[in-house]
Amino acid sequence: EIVLTQSPGTLSLSPGERATLSCRASHTVISTYLAWYQQRPGQAPRLLIYDASIRATGVPDRFSGSGSGTDFTLTISRLEPEDFAVYYCQQHATSPYTFGQGAKLEIK
Amino acid sequence: QVQLVQSGSELKKPGASVKVSCKASGYSFTANSMNWVRQAPGQGLEWIGWINTNTGNPTYAPGFTGRFVFSLDTSVSTAYLEISSLKTEDTAVYYCARYRYLDYWGQGTLVTVSS
Repeated sequence: EIVLTQSPGTLSLSPGERATLSCRASHTVISTYLAWYQQRPGQAPRLLIYDASIRATGVPDRFSGSGSGTDFTLTISRLEPEDFAVYYCQQHATSPYTFGQGAKLEIK
Repeated sequence: QVQLVQSGSELKKPGASVKVSCKASGYSFTANSMNWVRQAPGQGLEWIGWINTNTGNPTYAPGFTGRFVFSLDTSVSTAYLEISSLKTEDTAVYYCARYRYLDYWGQGTLVTVSS
């Protein structure tokens, strides 16, 4: 099983700042099959990025994903108030398709 | 547009069973796999497994074998998750989500297990 570790666990930033979230895998994620999701309180998760770097339909271009192998990054270039939420990475390469533990992005 | 609509909240006693439904619309149901994800109160996301909507073949994550069963009714574009011998620790929101990178999600079904 591939274990995904997200860091930091909580990130405190202000609107307009840049956010960088990390996801490290215990084994190589084949074909960069890694996705990022955003979950706001009381809502279902929403797909942001798949295959490490491809933005899902309707996702603003301030969200970008990068990485390969075991190290992946989600970057939000300029934070908007609605971006403060919990973010999860998930590998969809090797069953079981594990999630990271989540990273909370909070307003400073 | 693609929609996944799940059944409503359930309150069950320990030892009982529950069946959660996920009705798909806006796309060809058998063209995309369906995943199930669990989220316990205040916790993160856990992948339960997926079902091939074309063949009906299920795959379960470790820890979700035996009591968790996926099924389909392709005539009504609906996927099901049935959990038997419910335990209090099964209390969670259960989500269905489409395809291998979970591009569309249901709204979630809260299953509460309490005596």
